[in-house]
Amino acid sequence: ETGVTQSPTHLIKTRGQQVTLRCSSQSGHNTVSWYQQALGQGPQFIFQYYREEENGRGNFPPRFSGLQFPNYSSELNVNALELDDSALYLCASSFTGNYGYTFGSGTRLTVV
Amino acid sequence: GIQVEQSPPDLILQEGANSTLRCNFSDSVNNLQWFHQNPWGQLINLFYIPSGTKQNGRLSATTVATERYSLLYISSSQTTDSGVYFCAVPRFGNEKLTFGTGTRLTIIP
Repeated sequence: ETGVTQSPTHLIKTRGQQVTLRCSSQSGHNTVSWYQQALGQGPQFIFQYYREEENGRGNFPPRFSGLQFPNYSSELNVNALELDDSALYLCASSFTGNYGYTFGSGTRLTVV
Repeated sequence: GIQVEQSPPDLILQEGANSTLRCNFSDSVNNLQWFHQNPWGQLINLFYIPSGTKQNGRLSATTVATERYSLLYISSSQTTDSGVYFCAVPRFGNEKLTFGTGTRLTIIP
């Protein structure tokens, strides 16, 4: 059984640029969630995707958007990057109705 | 929304010691998970424990849902236990997780 994989592992972007982060869900899971973890804090929920549609969103602006593909993999897109977007971005997969989450290793984004 | 508080915020122990980490939550939940975040950032699921007690090797967890708290016990600590421990509960009764404030555990050889 494969776990959750995220790419890239590290990324440096300039303020105002756009970034796309990718996540492959664990085999058998159909739901993907994205979290942002700033340094020294706990992860904050960004949004969740189920059946290729957004299924709930946290307190993040519209410049944070996402996609889920038929194979349940997912992308997180962030437009007009700001310095405060620097964080570890974590992807988690699960199966609807089963509360166990599996997290990937994350993408560490630095905005300069 | 639901509030999740963890204590202590920091814990430094000698190798071989035992520890108890606490997670308090402000509303009833039907799911609670404990995670260990290693120094590389990966969140490793330790327990899914909405109620009762579970054990896995040197680790065990107890959730008392009626009193809105959960405890994580680590016995005979090893240096590899170092990292940040989070508890997490669902938001609004669905599957999105609200994480606690975390406990940073440092095990000294």
